[in-house]
Amino acid sequence: DADVTQTPRNRITKTGKRIMLECSQTKGHDRMYWYRQDPGLGLRLIYYSFDVKDINKGEISDGYSVSRQAQAKFSLSLESAIPNQTALYFCATSDGDLSDPGYTFGSGTRLTVV
Amino acid sequence: GEDVEQSLFLSVREGDSSVINCTYTDSSSTYLYWYKQEPGAGLQLLTYIFSNMDMKQDQRLTVLLNKKDKHLSLRIADTQTGDSAIYFCAESGSSNTGKLIFGQGTTLQVKP
Repeated sequence: DADVTQTPRNRITKTGKRIMLECSQTKGHDRMYWYRQDPGLGLRLIYYSFDVKDINKGEISDGYSVSRQAQAKFSLSLESAIPNQTALYFCATSDGDLSDPGYTFGSGTRLTVV
Repeated sequence: GEDVEQSLFLSVREGDSSVINCTYTDSSSTYLYWYKQEPGAGLQLLTYIFSNMDMKQDQRLTVLLNKKDKHLSLRIADTQTGDSAIYFCAESGSSNTGKLIFGQGTTLQVKP
């Protein structure tokens, strides 16, 4: 099984619909992140969490919300999807240990809003 | 603010060396990273360098860091078709949040 699992892998939804993207991890990491990837723009941070009681906005949080249900689970919601939220979404984890830096990424969720 | 810049595209012939360049703005970044993204997959950590180092070599990969110019490069020796991917540069930034700041990604095309 993958260390970081994202569901669904692909999703097409209509404008105005609510949608949830889910992420679960078996790394035992405290820190979890949601990024979106757009061609030519790289990855931009939406939300991040250090533990179940700590949620922080990233640079592009408008239109999104998150829930940290447990150490291993971090979900991203689009309350009312719009077409410019069409993107590839990645969940990532880290343990914040400087001796083991870097993230572990999920395989991504490709979301299309029509 | 924090910003990371990369060129968007590089094309090389199989067997040649590839050099992917990156500039960053936050001189207090502790680590600088290179990630690889293959089609349909997530990002995979390729290598990283601690900010007090100038160079790191790992098999076919060589990372060079010029802190004065805030310039990072990734050299891939004997580039293979399997190296075709998007390569992202990232910096750890000045905060202790563990947030990584990513560049736009460089698409490496390796021609046979």
